[in-house]
Amino acid sequence: QVQLVQSGAEVKRPGASVKVSCKASGYTFTNYALHWVRQAPGQRLEWMGWINGGNGNTKYSQKFQDRVTITRDTSASTAYMELSSLRSEDTAVYFCTRLYGIGYYYDYWGQGTLVTVSS
Amino acid sequence: SYELTQPLSVSVALGQTARITCGVNSIGNKNVHWYQQKPGQAPVLVIYRDSNRPSGIPERFSGSNSGNTATLTISRAQAGDEADYYCQVWDSGTWVFGGGTKLTVL
Repeated sequence: QVQLVQSGAEVKRPGASVKVSCKASGYTFTNYALHWVRQAPGQRLEWMGWINGGNGNTKYSQKFQDRVTITRDTSASTAYMELSSLRSEDTAVYFCTRLYGIGYYYDYWGQGTLVTVSS
Repeated sequence: SYELTQPLSVSVALGQTARITCGVNSIGNKNVHWYQQKPGQAPVLVIYRDSNRPSGIPERFSGSNSGNTATLTISRAQAGDEADYYCQVWDSGTWVFGGGTKLTVL
């Protein structure tokens, strides 16, 4: 069965960077795109960007364009999301999610990774 | 930017029908998807492409989309349906979520 398993919770200082991993299993990693979506406490889901599992192409939300980098390691079937220059407003749960390409919707989600930014 | 409008909260009596809306100009021209999110959990897809149910989602969940409003309908509401519900569309290369609606089953 399809599974997306994310790395554990992180606590970071303002100005630092965080890198969250998302290990995929149960499907052919290179056949699907993986997206990153975050959710600040009590807030809506917010799309950050995505990576093509096959060719590694990426696209980012304009809001995060300057601070986010999404990469992948096909040998490990793992995607990574790195967010830099962290500030308190980046405290959120970060989800990876698989895009079902034909319909542009998300059919599987990781369990989420809480990133806390605090001095 | 593209914004989807949802009511903050909807209440429904146990066993009755709940309707959650998602609005923006001409949303009927887009594919709308719906997710259920319970506290501390990841979202779960409940409706895709306006009105299709993934396997494992009860028939009580249905969707429609026309004009400026998409609607998620939950029939015979159960206590286990209490959750936040988010609509989502794809627009001009970005993925957009509504603000979310908290469903309370009374």
